[in-house]
Amino acid sequence: AQSVSQHNHHVILSEAASLELGCNYSYGGTVNLFWYVQYPGQHLQLLLKYFSGDPLVKGIKGFEAEFIKSKFSFNLRKPSVQWSDTAEYFCAVKVAGTGDTGKLIFGQGTTLQVKP
Amino acid sequence: DTAVSQTPKYLVTQMGNDKSIKCEQNLGHDTMYWYKQDSKKFLKIMFSYNNKELIINETVPNRFSPKSPDKAHLNLHINSLELGDSAVYFCASSQKGGKNIQYFGAGTRLSVL
Repeated sequence: AQSVSQHNHHVILSEAASLELGCNYSYGGTVNLFWYVQYPGQHLQLLLKYFSGDPLVKGIKGFEAEFIKSKFSFNLRKPSVQWSDTAEYFCAVKVAGTGDTGKLIFGQGTTLQVKP
Repeated sequence: DTAVSQTPKYLVTQMGNDKSIKCEQNLGHDTMYWYKQDSKKFLKIMFSYNNKELIINETVPNRFSPKSPDKAHLNLHINSLELGDSAVYFCASSQKGGKNIQYFGAGTRLSVL
């Protein structure tokens, strides 16, 4: 069965520090990849997505992620975090192509706390 | 002007009760989903409906019954609530198709006492 693992469960950074959150998935076929963010008290919002093409994708609020197929990874990065980036971050994978049912498989989430 | 709205936001109830969570989307999407987030924060899909037709049913106990009166609504009814049903339930919607993006509601925190 497909699965997604996020290695960092709780990350604490100071403002202006660089961020990298790890995400690995297990599935040998074609996938679509997503990062969602949930700010305190709000709904899950899409940060960025990868469907095909350039493996380096840019999202909102200065976030980017790189798809490395050989490593089954889709790590999220931001060069300089802000206090407002404090949130829960979820990596998600969807089987693409003929096996696509629309089902998203989520990682456990990473709590990011940015200290001012 | 919320795109995917769920009600209620919080639900506290006793074991054995029956409760419903409502979900509505105003995005014109034809596919809707219910996810459950457990105490370890894992979000797992429960159901999906496309144009009122059940597409995904992920081995959820039959005490859980989704109901889709039209493609803009997907309600979740839970019978005989158990302690283990305590979780946050998220509704989502998307357009059908390979490159669909799912839009989520704010979640409903269900506590069964």
